[in-house]
Amino acid sequence: QVQLVESGGGVVQPGRSLRLSCSASGFTFNSYGMHWVRQAPGKGLEWVAVISYDGSNKYYADSVKGRFTISRDNSKNTLYLQMDSLRAEDTAFYYCTKDQFRSIVVVEVPLDYWGQGTLVTVSS
Amino acid sequence: DIQMTQSPSSLSASVGDRVTITCRASRPISDYLAWFQQKPGKAPKSLIYGASSLQSGVPSKFSGSGSGTDFTLTISSLQPEDFATYYCQQYDSYPLTFGGGTTVEIK
Repeated sequence: QVQLVESGGGVVQPGRSLRLSCSASGFTFNSYGMHWVRQAPGKGLEWVAVISYDGSNKYYADSVKGRFTISRDNSKNTLYLQMDSLRAEDTAFYYCTKDQFRSIVVVEVPLDYWGQGTLVTVSS
Repeated sequence: DIQMTQSPSSLSASVGDRVTITCRASRPISDYLAWFQQKPGKAPKSLIYGASSLQSGVPSKFSGSGSGTDFTLTISSLQPEDFATYYCQQYDSYPLTFGGGTTVEIK
């Protein structure tokens, strides 16, 4: 069965960095686009970033562009989110989620499975 | 960016009620529309994709319809396990965007 397990969350000061990981199993990781979606406590869902199956295409939300970097290591079945210059408004649960279908493009593909999330708190 | 507007933001309903949630996109998105259910403290769960296709394992009491800009999620007979927050999401173009959510509460 598909499993996505996030890790790396914690409390970090404003301006510092943090790297999240998402370990994937139960599917052919190197065939699917992968996303990060976040949710501030008590708020709605906000898409953060996507990376294509081979890492060649990436898109970001404007709110994180230039500060966050999505990457993947297909040999380790792991997705990453490098978060730099963190701000208080980045405080959220961060979920990794996968594309439902294999595709050479990263658009027009729904999301299916989600991890349980990891909490990032940015506070001094 | 495509704005997704859900209504209502919350509703109270009784077990057995038929519930309908609407979602409107700020520009046409064909049928690139998904619905998710989220319970407190849990990750979202995919219910519907392609506006009307049920995810595997999702009970048939859930149904979706619409195309273009206007979409609906219907729960035919509300059960205790259906009390949750529901989100629509467009995947027509980046950035992907979600509706603000509809919380379904027990009356």
